[in-house]
Amino acid sequence: QSALTQPRSVSGSPGQSVTISCTGTSSDVGTYNYVSWYQQHPDKAPKLMIYDVSKRPSGVPDRFSGSKSGNTASLTISGLQAEDEADYYCCSYAGSYIFVVFGGGTKLTVL
Amino acid sequence: EVELVESGGGLVQPGGSLRLSCAASGFTFSGYDMHWVRQPTGKGLEWVSAITTTGDRYYPDSVKGRFTISRENAKNSLYLQMNSLRAEDTAVYYCVRERAAPGLDYDNWGQGTLVTVSS
Repeated sequence: QSALTQPRSVSGSPGQSVTISCTGTSSDVGTYNYVSWYQQHPDKAPKLMIYDVSKRPSGVPDRFSGSKSGNTASLTISGLQAEDEADYYCCSYAGSYIFVVFGGGTKLTVL
Repeated sequence: EVELVESGGGLVQPGGSLRLSCAASGFTFSGYDMHWVRQPTGKGLEWVSAITTTGDRYYPDSVKGRFTISRENAKNSLYLQMNSLRAEDTAVYYCVRERAAPGLDYDNWGQGTLVTVSS
């Protein structure tokens, strides 16, 4: 069982928006603004899409956005495209003892 | 261009040992904290270990006392010594660069090396 809880799957049609939630606790997501999101295509290494809750690395389309409320972080993908179909993982800093926790991953299907 | 290349994976028996290596290039290796993250086949990501620029080391309880992370800045290399391996350690192991502080996220990943623990 992963430390952060994500839905196992979400889906949407091209052009639509989808939101993936990531629920932690007051020991990780709720306390630290160090939530990141990763996209992973089959047989590929993960790619950083969002860091520090809502910041986008250079090169990541602005269709990808992040937010946080309480113990839950969210990744929203607007204007869905076929190439967005992938697995998405959230990650949070969890203090100097636990250190890092990941979510179990969400499979995004573009219909 | 940042590049991280893992090596050293393979098949090992339960209770055995394996040493993973990661060759880094394209950036000032000594200036970054580095991590290992693993992924069992068909499953999610799991943080395995971290080493800071000053040599501080961190592990989850699942590998504490069995795995040791180390780095050799002169060789731009990261290592993971894995002892007392178990079937549940079977996974692809990624060498990962932590983006410059503050924060904790991973801006560069290697291609991964597969470790299989089986008799």
